[in-house]
Formats: sequence, C-alpha cells, structure tokens
Amino acid sequence: QKEVEQNSGPLSVPEGAIASLNCTYSDRGSQSFFWYRQYSGKSPELIMFIYSNGDKEDGRFTAQLNKASQYVSLLIRDSQPSDSATYLCAVTPGGNNRLAFGKGNQVVVIP
Amino acid sequence: EAGVVQSPRYKIIEKKQPVAFWCNPISGHNTLYWYLQNLGQGPELLIRYENEEAVDDSQLPKDRFSAERLKGVDSTLKIQPAELGDSAVYLCASSSGITDTQYFGPGTRLTVL
Repeated sequence: QKEVEQNSGPLSVPEGAIASLNCTYSDRGSQSFFWYRQYSGKSPELIMFIYSNGDKEDGRFTAQLNKASQYVSLLIRDSQPSDSATYLCAVTPGGNNRLAFGKGNQVVVIP
Repeated sequence: EAGVVQSPRYKIIEKKQPVAFWCNPISGHNTLYWYLQNLGQGPELLIRYENEEAVDDSQLPKDRFSAERLKGVDSTLKIQPAELGDSAVYLCASSSGITDTQYFGPGTRLTVL
C-alpha cells in the first residue's frame, strides 16, 4: 500500500467551476498535510497546508482533512486557466518531516 | 529573498559517466533535502540533512549515489557511475526547521544516454 494515493486521472473543468481533488494516506500517525502545485517543467510550489481536522480556506483554495477516514482534499473555486497544473498531495508519515508525495493529479481548466 | 538555487539546470551524460548536482538553500535554512522525481510521479526523498549531518538517507542508493553538505550550507549530490534509469529530475529543497515548510529549487533534469 502506497503511503499517499492520488488515483484519479486528469481532471478537466470549465473556467469558473470548482475543481475537487482527493488524496488518501496510509499512516494514521501522519500529522501534517500539504498540497503542492507543479506547473509543467517547474518545481513544486506549496499552496496549502493543514494540520487539524476540518476545513482551511485560503483565497480560492480550501483544504479539507478527515483523519478518521485518512483523506485530505483540495477544492479550487472559480477555477482559472492559470490553475492548470499538477497538484501533489504530501503528508509527513509518523509525524517526522519526511514528505511522502502522491503521484499528483493533473488539472486542466478549459476557458 | 533568494530561493533555492540549483545547478546545472540540465545535464546530458552517457551511462557509466559520473555526474554531480549542486544546491544552495535559502539563507538561514538548516534543513536540506534531495528528492528524485520521475515523470508522472511525485518527488521521492533521497536524503535529508540537518546542518551538515545526514539524518535520513535510507532511500539513497549508496552503491552509486553520494551526497555531502560541508559547512552546513551548500550541498552536492553525486552519481557514479550513472545508469539509464537515473534519468529524472533531481530536486533540492530547504526548510528552516524539521517542522517547517519545504521550498523547492528549480531542479536538475538529468538525461542518461
């Protein structure tokens, strides 16, 4: 079982719609959860982090964490063409600072 | 504030040749990471340094990979000899502490022919 799973394929959303991304993790001891955005040919860039159960909002982005179900999600409201990228979910298994990444989900926002 | 600097940005070598990558972290960041990212995958940690000490190198293939962080600032990752399967992007990241956000450099794209 992989530490972090992001299984859905490329997500195409029309401009202005909500993009929803999901991620599950295997280690119940994970304490920190991150979403990174990676444009093609570029390095990952942190967009959200969440430590506690519930929702965390930052501008058009909302991260949701459910530790009981071991999943974390990312919502992108009012999607823009500039949001087209790969979104990487990362967690710190066992509470240490080693980031375990999922393989990422590609988002394509269609004008 | 300058970000994480890596060089070279691109490197093409033939198999069995040596190669080295250099990383300069954000000023004041004591923790430095080297990741490997294959196409279509997320980054995978190779090694983590706290100052000059390698505290997590369990994923580093020590038969051909080596790394150093002399003086606790710049770091070098070396592969000798390179194999075809080493073709990937090598990312360096740094953070101010073990619980703090990691910031990534632009990466070095290695192609082994």
